[in-house]
Amino acid sequence: SQQGEEDPQALSIQEGENATMNCSYKTSINNLQWYRQNSGRGLVHLILIRSNEREKHSGRLRVTLDTSKKSSSLLITASRAADTASYFCATDAHGRQGGSEKLVFGKGTKLTVNP
Amino acid sequence: NAGVTQTPKFQVLKTGQSMTLQCAQDMNHEYMSWYRQDPGMGLRLIHYSVGAGITDQGEVPNGYNVSRSTTEDFPLRLLSAAPSQTSVYFCASSYGSGLNQPQHFGDGTRLSIL
Repeated sequence: SQQGEEDPQALSIQEGENATMNCSYKTSINNLQWYRQNSGRGLVHLILIRSNEREKHSGRLRVTLDTSKKSSSLLITASRAADTASYFCATDAHGRQGGSEKLVFGKGTKLTVNP
Repeated sequence: NAGVTQTPKFQVLKTGQSMTLQCAQDMNHEYMSWYRQDPGMGLRLIHYSVGAGITDQGEVPNGYNVSRSTTEDFPLRLLSAAPSQTSVYFCASSYGSGLNQPQHFGDGTRLSIL
């Protein structure tokens, strides 16, 4: 399986602190994506990073990718209570059509930001 | 745009009943997929489609059927519901036939099998 695995499973911090979540995967990828899920809702896309990129930013989010270690990290700076959610990484996998056709998700990190 | 719309939002079935979970998108996306989410298991891919008339199996396809007769719709059918299929089901779509694009998710269908 090419499933990504997030670490830690749960993270509790105070508002204003930074939150770092890690994702490890098993085989080569073309890209890696991070998603956020608020309780009772669907997943929302945050960032996509390609295998030839090492770092990407979007607002208070910073994603790094280390293909030699098969790992990625998501950093949320100056966290807010509204950042409380579960965060998932997802990696692409090949399907029978030959191309990259399956998106495989990890089990997620549950982040709680306390006011 | 409505995005990805899933219906129903909640459903309770008895073991052995059949039903269809509906998924529709209005973004002209070629790629659509179904996932189930269980506590502690993350999201697991059930079936996916890279375009109208083309479907393929994901990680956990047993007990589920799909078809893709139009670009907009990708229904998921449970032919004979089992308690193990109690879960939250998510449909997603994206541009293109590959996975170098963000996935757009619906808000899910919460299904309980008694």
